[in-house]
Amino acid sequence: DQQVKQNSPSLSVQEGRISILNCDYTNSMFDYFLWYKKYPAEGPTFLISISSIKDKNEDGRFTVFLNKSAKHLSLHIVPSQPGDSAVYFCAASATAGTYKYIFGTGTRLKVLA
Amino acid sequence: DGGITQSPKYLFRKEGQNVTLSCEQNLNHDAMYWYRQDPGQGLRLIYYSQIVNDFQKGDIAEGYSVSREKKESFPLTVTSAQKNPTAFYLCASSLRTSGSGYNEQFFGPGTRLTVL
Repeated sequence: DQQVKQNSPSLSVQEGRISILNCDYTNSMFDYFLWYKKYPAEGPTFLISISSIKDKNEDGRFTVFLNKSAKHLSLHIVPSQPGDSAVYFCAASATAGTYKYIFGTGTRLKVLA
Repeated sequence: DGGITQSPKYLFRKEGQNVTLSCEQNLNHDAMYWYRQDPGQGLRLIYYSQIVNDFQKGDIAEGYSVSREKKESFPLTVTSAQKNPTAFYLCASSLRTSGSGYNEQFFGPGTRLTVL
C-alpha cells in the first residue's frame, strides 16, 4: 500500500515557466513533509520541507503548499531553469519518534530550453 | 568538509555471495538509514538506526543485515538470501533531536550493486 503517491511519473516545462509537482498521501498521521531532488547516479538532495502547522513554505524559487484536508502537497518552481531537470521525490513522516520517512515514487521533471 | 560517503560506487557480485556496502558520516548524526531504489520506484527503507548499537528493520529488510558499532558507520550486508539484490543503494543520516525529530535526511552518493 503506497502511503505517499506521486501520480505523474514525468513532467515537461518550458524554461521560465512554472513547474508544479504533486504529491498525495493517505496516512493522516503524517505531519512533516519534504521534497528532494535527485540527479542520476547521485544521492537525493534536500530542497524544502513543511510541517502540518503551516500551509505554505517558500525558499527562493521553491514553494511547497500543503492542503491537509485533501492530503495533498505540491512543489512549485518559479521560474523553471534547465538545471532543475531531475527526479523529484516527496517524503512524509509521522510524529512517532521513529525518524522514518516514506518516499513517493518520484516525478521526472524536464525543463526545456 | 562534512558529509556522507558510500563505497564503492559500483559493485559487482556473483550470485550466492554476500557483499557489504560501506556508509560513513562525519556529520555527528545519531540516526542512519539504508534505502534501496529500483527503476520506477521510490526509495524503500531497508534498515535504520537511531543510536549506536541499535537498529530496526524497515519495509524490505529480508535478505539484508546491518550493524551500528560506531556512530559514524552503518554498513549494510546484502546476503545471498536477498532474491533480487541488483539495485541502487542509498545511505542517509539525520540529526536526532529530543523534540519533534523533524530533520531532513542527508544522503550519500549511492552504490550501484549488480549481481552477475
